[in-house]
Amino acid sequence: AQKVTQAQTEISVVEKEDVTLDCVYETRDTTYYLFWYKQPPSGELVFLIRRNSFDEQNEISGRYSWNFQKSTSSFNFTITASQVVDSAVYFCALSGASGGYNKLIFGAGTRLAVHP
Amino acid sequence: NAGVTQTPKFQVLKTGQSMTLQCAQDMNHEYMSWYRQDPGMGLRLIHYSVGAGITDQGEVPNGYNVSRSTTEDFPLRLLSAAPSQTSVYFCASSYSGSVNTEAFFGQGTRLTVV
Repeated sequence: AQKVTQAQTEISVVEKEDVTLDCVYETRDTTYYLFWYKQPPSGELVFLIRRNSFDEQNEISGRYSWNFQKSTSSFNFTITASQVVDSAVYFCALSGASGGYNKLIFGAGTRLAVHP
Repeated sequence: NAGVTQTPKFQVLKTGQSMTLQCAQDMNHEYMSWYRQDPGMGLRLIHYSVGAGITDQGEVPNGYNVSRSTTEDFPLRLLSAAPSQTSVYFCASSYSGSVNTEAFFGQGTRLTVV
């Protein structure tokens, strides 16, 4: 079975702090994809990143970075120098061959509050 | 380019009423799906479709019906609304096939059943 665990329900930080959102996944597939989505207070889902299981390179995009470690089945997301606009719910998701590549299995989400 | 359009954005239903949540996409995506979002549970797949005329059940299909008569539209029907169906509903679309691509989500429909 496929499963995504985001153990941090809520995180509260002060602006300019770095924050890491954890994501642990379970799958028996050898080919799978991992995603992060952002849901700001306005409610829409914003795609942040997609990573396939064969690409363990870390990725950096501005203040955002992602650490993919197959050995620990984790795909963690770090925001450097957080800003108030980063306040949102962040979802990690997984899809794989056994469930169908188009089907996303979501974690419960982590609510991030960045205070001025 | 409109992307994925959901209507309505908000809806209040009485228990037992029926309604249809509309979803349309203009990206010629084969794959469309419906998710519901509940507090502490993330998004869960209700139904999905891999193309016109083909639909299948997801993780939480009970109480919902779907059909896919065109590539563009994928409506979700609640036949007899129950308070347990109070949720935020998202429609998504993407290209189908073995190479996964980004899923595009609609703005969501917040449904309250009283």
